[in-house]
Order: sequence, then structure tokens, then C-alpha cells
Amino acid sequence: AQSVTQPDIHITVSEGASLELRCNYSYGATPYLFWYVQSPGQGLQLLLKYFSGDTLVQGIKGFEAEFKRSQSSFNLRKPSVHWSDAAEYFCAALPLGRSNYQLIWGAGTKLIIKP
Amino acid sequence: EPEVTQTPSHQVTQMGQEVILRCVPISNHLYFYWYRQILGQKVEFLVSFYNNEISEKSEIFDDQFSVERPDGSNFTLKIRSTKLEDSAMYFCASSLGGRETQYFGPGTRLLVL
Repeated sequence: AQSVTQPDIHITVSEGASLELRCNYSYGATPYLFWYVQSPGQGLQLLLKYFSGDTLVQGIKGFEAEFKRSQSSFNLRKPSVHWSDAAEYFCAALPLGRSNYQLIWGAGTKLIIKP
Repeated sequence: EPEVTQTPSHQVTQMGQEVILRCVPISNHLYFYWYRQILGQKVEFLVSFYNNEISEKSEIFDDQFSVERPDGSNFTLKIRSTKLEDSAMYFCASSLGGRETQYFGPGTRLLVL
């Protein structure tokens, strides 16, 4: 079945430390891939997306993600986190079906920032 | 920057009552969606809407649910007879094309008592 997996439910990092959030997908063909962030009480904000081309994509707020076809992964990274990055992060995929436009979501990773 | 808006932000209702959740998608977008997130669970697709009709719906989207675009700007989700298990955050989204980025509203938190 088509799915998106985020293996880490929670991650705790110190402010100023680097961050990597993992995302794996299982599809026959590479889907379109997205990372969204949900701050407490807020909606889902798009951080970045991968459709094709350069496998390293830059997003907002200093985030980047790297698509690795061999590992079916699309991990999110940030070199130095800020306290304001504390939020829940969702990886999502848009499968390349004929008229399939529904996003398939990972379970989310809650990022906790230690002062 | 244009954004998707949703009203109300919170809604409390009694089981069996009808609720209508409202969304204003980004004005030049053509595809509209509803998703929901039950507390502690994944975001789930409910329905997509294009050219004034449903283009795709999930198993969750049964006869109790309906969507409508009553005018040129609003997109609504109606739940006819709410159940306890309908308690969730409901997100509206819109995209320019079917295979374009979906932009989300802030959500409506629905609590069914």
C-alpha cells in the first residue's frame, strides 16, 4: 500500500543544534513530496516541496530537504534550530496516479527544543 | 500573500446536529480539498472538488458528508448528523491545479458532545 513513514514521533534538540527529521515513502513511482509544519494552534504551513530536478530543495525558515531515490527518503534538515522551530512536522506525498490528488501523510514528528 | 481562511476556528455541537464548516480558498485556485486530523492521529483526506463537482472522496466521506461551493468564493463542508467520532480538526486546502501544491487554512476544531 502507498504510505509515508516518519519513524520518529518526538525529537528533542538543543537550541542551535542541527536537526534532521526522517521521512520515507513507499510507492512504485516517485511521488511529489512535501514537508509541512504545524505550530501549536496553527494550520499546516508549507515548508518546501520536491517535484523533480535538483534533489536538494530549499524551503522557508532555513529548512532544506534532500530527496534520495535509492533510499525512498525525503529527510528535512536545518543546520541550527531556533526555539521558534518547536512544532510538529509532517511529511506528505502526492502519488502520481491518473486523477489522484489526495495527499498521503506521515504521522508527524514533534520537535522539542531544549534551551 | 493570499491565504486560505476558515471559519469558525472552533465549533462545539451536540451529537446528531448538523454543522457547516466554511472555507475561502485562494481566489485563483481551481481545486479544493477537505482533510481532517483526529487528535493524535494522521491527517486524513476526505474529499477533493473541481469544476463544481467531487473529483475524489475517501471512505470516510460517507452520506453524512457533503461539500458545496455556493458562490464564487466559499467552499463548505456539511456534516448532516454529527457523531462523537467526527470530533477532529478539519482543514480546507486549495491548489491551482490538481498536481500543484496544496495550501491549507488554519483549520476548524470540531468537538461533538
